[in-house]
Amino acid sequence: QKEVEQNSGPLSVPEGAIASLNCTYSDRGSQSFFWYRQYSGKSPELIMSIYSNGDKEDGRFTAQLNKASQYVSLLIRDSQPSDSATYLCAAYNQAGTALIFGKGTTLSVSS
Amino acid sequence: NAGVMQNPRHLVRRRGQEARLRCSPMKGHSHVYWYRQLPEEGLKFMVYLQKENIIDESGMPKERFSAEFPKEGPSILRIQQVVRGDSAAYFCASSPPRTHAEAFFGQGTRLTVV
Repeated sequence: QKEVEQNSGPLSVPEGAIASLNCTYSDRGSQSFFWYRQYSGKSPELIMSIYSNGDKEDGRFTAQLNKASQYVSLLIRDSQPSDSATYLCAAYNQAGTALIFGKGTTLSVSS
Repeated sequence: NAGVMQNPRHLVRRRGQEARLRCSPMKGHSHVYWYRQLPEEGLKFMVYLQKENIIDESGMPKERFSAEFPKEGPSILRIQQVVRGDSAAYFCASSPPRTHAEAFFGQGTRLTVV
């Protein structure tokens, strides 16, 4: 099965800082990429999707995609304690039949 | 609430029993994905279904696990003869009827095998 890889963390940042989360994927044919947030004991919540190379901004979140490097990132500006969660990167396989997740990066924002 | 609905939220089964997990997709969605998540681990893809069709079951264990999505009613993930290793959170997600679409998750079913 194609893989999506993330550093497990934990990533610790102070309140108000920028948190940078990274992800690589192995299926060169992947076309669509997603970031989910999962609080402990809860279900994953979609926060960003990105389909084209470059940056996509939504509020405090910016997703970045580089298909040549098979690399996806998520920047969280002005991090808040409520952003403390596990962030999951996901990519479809080339056929679009399986949405594959990384193991997630745990983010801790200290006040 | 038009979100993805899963039931039951919690399910306890004795070893050897059958577990049936249900998932109703969001309104307008006809694609369903099932995932398993073990404690402190990521989401493992199990199966992708459309109405009356299994499209990709590359992540399903070869034995005891099956899934269906009938023309009417919810999608069902069935685990026969459960073992303690089946204890996990099982999540369902749904997406609109096109490939590479955003998928939205239900609240999950926590299965405990005793």
